[in-house]
Amino acid sequence: KAGVTQTPRYLIKTRGQQVTLSCSPISGHRSVSWYQQTPGQGLQFLFEYFSETQRNKGNFPGRFSGRQFSNSRSEMNVSTLELGDSALYLCASSTEAADTQYFGPGTRLTVL
Amino acid sequence: DQQVKQNSPSLSVQEGRISILNCDYTNSMFDYFLWYKKYPAEGPTFLISISSIKDKNEDGRFTVFLNKSAKHLSLHIVPSQPGDSAVYFCAASLSLSGNTPLVFGKGTRLSVIA
Repeated sequence: KAGVTQTPRYLIKTRGQQVTLSCSPISGHRSVSWYQQTPGQGLQFLFEYFSETQRNKGNFPGRFSGRQFSNSRSEMNVSTLELGDSALYLCASSTEAADTQYFGPGTRLTVL
Repeated sequence: DQQVKQNSPSLSVQEGRISILNCDYTNSMFDYFLWYKKYPAEGPTFLISISSIKDKNEDGRFTVFLNKSAKHLSLHIVPSQPGDSAVYFCAASLSLSGNTPLVFGKGTRLSVIA
């Protein structure tokens, strides 16, 4: 089976812009979770989608949003970018949220 | 409140010796635990897991131990190799709930010195 893919791998944006990141899960996986990783902060949970519904949400502002399509592919959107949004954004897929999650390579976002 | 804690941000070990990474959790309802390994600029890779009905699980050089009464788990790597140098995350799950996501610790950076 192909692994989790994320596009793009690298992005450079300026403050105030918005960005959309994409994640394609492992075939058959219906749960997609998003994480933000910054130095020293570990994996900060953003949200989790299952069957096109957001089921779980972390403690992030409303500028962070996402969606999931009928084929389980997911997108994450960040509006009005801030310098502090510079991070590695990781997507993980699983059969269920509580099961073993398999991560994509991440999207490195740099906000200037 | 951090439900999963990795109290050692970093650990250095000589090649060939044992590496022991520790993880504590607070929620006694967690029943499934996982370890992930992460290299810089890559996504975490699943290493090994253990169910709460067991106290030990082995996979090659990697062994995870679970002490439910102490709410503590550890990952042992024997022998340690330079390629094991990475950040290791432990995670916990309420597997019976199904829809509750994994809870991750903040990670321990392991350096294996040749």
